[in-house]
Amino acid sequence: GIQVEQSPPDLILQEGANSTLRCNFSDSVNNLQWFHQNPWGQLINLFYIPSGTKQNGRLSATTVATERYSLLYISSSQTTDSGVYFCAVGSGGGADGLTFGKGTHLIIQP
Amino acid sequence: GAGVSQSPRYKVAKRGQDVALRCDPISGHVSLFWYQQALGQGPEFLTYFQNEAQLDKSGLPSDRFFAERPEGSVSTLKIQRTQQEDSAVYLCASSLYRQGRHNSPLHFGNGTRLTVT
Repeated sequence: GIQVEQSPPDLILQEGANSTLRCNFSDSVNNLQWFHQNPWGQLINLFYIPSGTKQNGRLSATTVATERYSLLYISSSQTTDSGVYFCAVGSGGGADGLTFGKGTHLIIQP
Repeated sequence: GAGVSQSPRYKVAKRGQDVALRCDPISGHVSLFWYQQALGQGPEFLTYFQNEAQLDKSGLPSDRFFAERPEGSVSTLKIQRTQQEDSAVYLCASSLYRQGRHNSPLHFGNGTRLTVT
């Protein structure tokens, strides 16, 4: 099956800093989504982005499908950005579940 | 409510007991997924429904796991004769469209934390 690698695995930043999280995948995809899992375990969908660039407030994401990677940018970090960020991909033309990476654990210190 | 609802939030079962976990997807969502998340890991796919049809159950770890969505809305994940290795968070997610050519964002519930003692 498709492999998903996220980097870095852990990241500690001061409030106000910017960060870039990376997701590499091993095969062509037609579905790529970024999620934030908060400290209470809730998974929030940030972006559905199989290709191209999207922005939502302080967050933006870019997927370069031909080179098999996606980037999530967080600007002006806030403590509420802390948690685990997951990239998940799907490559099937039919019914298939997304394959998740192991995540990037982000801690924003005040 | 507008989101995916799961119950119970926490479940403690003795080894060998059967458990049933419920998921209420967002109204009108065609696709429904079950995932299992072990501590410190990403969610792992268990099974997928398109309306009432279970189109993919390749992720179910054993024949003790069974899922249904009889009317294409509420879904139940049942685990028979629970084992300690079944301890995990079970997440349900729904999305508007059928998976495949036209995908749509996945929306997760808060999960059910199952502890088997």
